[in-house]
Amino acid sequence: QKEVEQDPGPLSVPEGAIVSLNCTYSNSAFQYFMWYRQYSRKGPELLMYTYSSGNKEDGRFTAQVDKSSKYISLFIRDSQPSDSATYLCAIENTGGFKTIFGAGTRLFVKA
Amino acid sequence: EAQVTQNPRYLITVTGKKLTVTCSQNMNHEYMSWYRQDPGLGLRQIYYSMNVEVTDKGDVPEGYKVSRKEKRNFPLILESPSPNQTSLYFCASSSPYGEGISGYTFGSGTRLTVV
Repeated sequence: QKEVEQDPGPLSVPEGAIVSLNCTYSNSAFQYFMWYRQYSRKGPELLMYTYSSGNKEDGRFTAQVDKSSKYISLFIRDSQPSDSATYLCAIENTGGFKTIFGAGTRLFVKA
Repeated sequence: EAQVTQNPRYLITVTGKKLTVTCSQNMNHEYMSWYRQDPGLGLRQIYYSMNVEVTDKGDVPEGYKVSRKEKRNFPLILESPSPNQTSLYFCASSSPYGEGISGYTFGSGTRLTVV
């Protein structure tokens, strides 16, 4: 079993839709939960992070962590074609040197 | 501009011919890491370094070497490349967490093909 499971998609939605991206993880020792966005032929870039359980909102993006069920979510409201990318969830230990990534979900937002 | 620079961007080589992929960061980050990205497997950590002269194995270290002689540089060495090392490689750096978590800053990637 992978330590972080993520549906690879692809996920295709119309412009303006609400997008829900999800991951599950198995190791409860990790305290930081991140979402990275990766455009084609680019390196991943940190989109959002949360520490422990709870929600965090940044503009159209909301990250959610439920440690009791080991479930990580990213919601994108009013999705735009520019949101088309691969989204990778990641868990990280305290100290930051051990990061485990999900396989990534490819998202296509159609104009 | 704050960045992680990898070179080369693309490399085709033959089995057994030693190669080095360079990585340099200009953000004075303590942590640096190498990942490989393969379809369906995502990003897997090869080696990481917590500071100068401090390195450790990640999840897939076999066939790779690293060194950290200077804070800004973290080269990845393949002593005898094999076709199963054909992949997209990323170097990344970060600071220890305190106020203002930054996560990893990634380079643009090196696409390596071993024939």
